[in-house]
Amino acid sequence: IQLTQSPSFLSASVGDRVTITCRASQAISSYLAWYQQKPGKAPKLLIYDASTLQSGVPSRFSGSGSGTEFTLTISSLLPEDFATYYCQQLDSYPRTFGQGTKVDFK
Amino acid sequence: EVQLVESGGGLVQPGGSLRLSCSASGFPFTSYSMTWVRQAPGKGLEWVSYISSNGNTIYYADAVKGRFTISRDNAKKSLFLQMNNLRGEDTAVYYCARTTYSSDYWGQGTLVTVSS
Repeated sequence: IQLTQSPSFLSASVGDRVTITCRASQAISSYLAWYQQKPGKAPKLLIYDASTLQSGVPSRFSGSGSGTEFTLTISSLLPEDFATYYCQQLDSYPRTFGQGTKVDFK
Repeated sequence: EVQLVESGGGLVQPGGSLRLSCSASGFPFTSYSMTWVRQAPGKGLEWVSYISSNGNTIYYADAVKGRFTISRDNAKKSLFLQMNNLRGEDTAVYYCARTTYSSDYWGQGTLVTVSS
């Protein structure tokens, strides 16, 4: 299963609403996770099962979608949210990742 | 506190071998599947291999199948990745991650560099 994220790069400002899309090459129900990664750090799980927020993750992060199209939304961008975001399908092995979306300062 | 600590990375020549280890603490290791994920310099995340909690179910990415072997020692709360016939494209930071369906805890990673 291939995952395609869009956009690959996103310039935004603090306070912006940000939406990242992940499209799967075949239907994966709601078996999708989102991760955040900052430079030099390990990825951090944000959302699993497409829309379930991992414990401790701020509520400004939300996920939606099913089948082949999914979105990650950050309702109001904070300085600590500038990072790269990856989707991962949890439907079958190999557990592929999207290519990533880098959210940078405008 | 959940902790995963990888070790064993380093510089190795093409065709060489390396064994990565991941030491787990702070959770019941025998109850969790584990995964290796790698990240080449400046690139995205690449899923490498999975092993179930009892070691009976194993999966590999096509890119490493036949060259890498995942294993675990539940008594020692440790995960391993034996990497043989290494290639330049295997150069990456290798992360171990605790896994249910998603991977909720990750180690800090260990760098493997394959170069002559």
